[in-house]
Amino acid sequence: DAGVIQSPRHEVTEMGQEVTLRCKPISGHNSLFWYRQTMMRGLELLIYFNNNVPIDDSGMPEDRFSAKMPNASFSTLKIQPSEPRDSAVYFCASTSPGQVYNEQFFGPGTRLTVL
Amino acid sequence: AQTVTQSQPEMSVQEAETVTLSCTYDTSENNYYLFWYKQPPSRQMILVIRQEAYKQQNATENRFSVNFQKAAKSFSLKISDSQLGDTAMYFCAFFLGGTSYGKLTFGQGTILTVHP
Repeated sequence: DAGVIQSPRHEVTEMGQEVTLRCKPISGHNSLFWYRQTMMRGLELLIYFNNNVPIDDSGMPEDRFSAKMPNASFSTLKIQPSEPRDSAVYFCASTSPGQVYNEQFFGPGTRLTVL
Repeated sequence: AQTVTQSQPEMSVQEAETVTLSCTYDTSENNYYLFWYKQPPSRQMILVIRQEAYKQQNATENRFSVNFQKAAKSFSLKISDSQLGDTAMYFCAFFLGGTSYGKLTFGQGTILTVHP
C-alpha cells in the first residue's frame, strides 16, 4: 500500500492567496484527520471525518479554514485568504474502522509557508 | 479535556546508552490509550509503542519500553542501546477509548539527539 498521500509536499504562497492542501487516505480507511504542527502550538487536530462526514471541527482556527471530504479517497483543506501565521506543517492521517482503537497512519505532511 | 505534558524540550544521550523520556497526562476517564510517536527529520510520524490503560503490564517493543504509572498519570519511554537513528523528536499522545476513531492529543515533544 502507498500509505497516506499528501500533496503538495511544500507550498510557498503570498499572504491573501488561497491555498488548497490535498490528502488521499489509505484504501479501506474510513476515518481521516487533519493536524497542524507549529513550533508554538505543537501538533493539534484541526478536524476529522468518519465515513466522509465531519465529526469534530472544533480545532479549525477560524472561518478562513475549511475542509471537505467529497468521497472516501480524497480530502482537501483550504485556507482562504492565507496569512503568515498559517505557516506550518499540515498532516493528514487515516485509520480503519473497528470497535476499538486502530492506529492512525500519517502522511508525510505539507510544509506551508505564507510570505 | 485531556492534556499531555512533556517537560523535557531536549535530551541527549551517547550511542549505546539508555535514555528515558518523560510524559504526564491528565484525564478523568478510565478507557484510554497512550502512545509514543517518533518524528525524524523527514517529518514522518512513526508509531513507536502503544499502551492500553486497562493493561497493567508495561508495553515493550524491542529496544523501546514504557513505564506506565496509571495512578500517577505518568507514561515514560525508555530507549535502550540508543542508536544514531533514534535521533528525532518524540511525542507522547493520548487517545480516549470508546470508538475506533477520535482525536489524538499530543504533548509538546522532546527532541532527542544521540551522539556517536
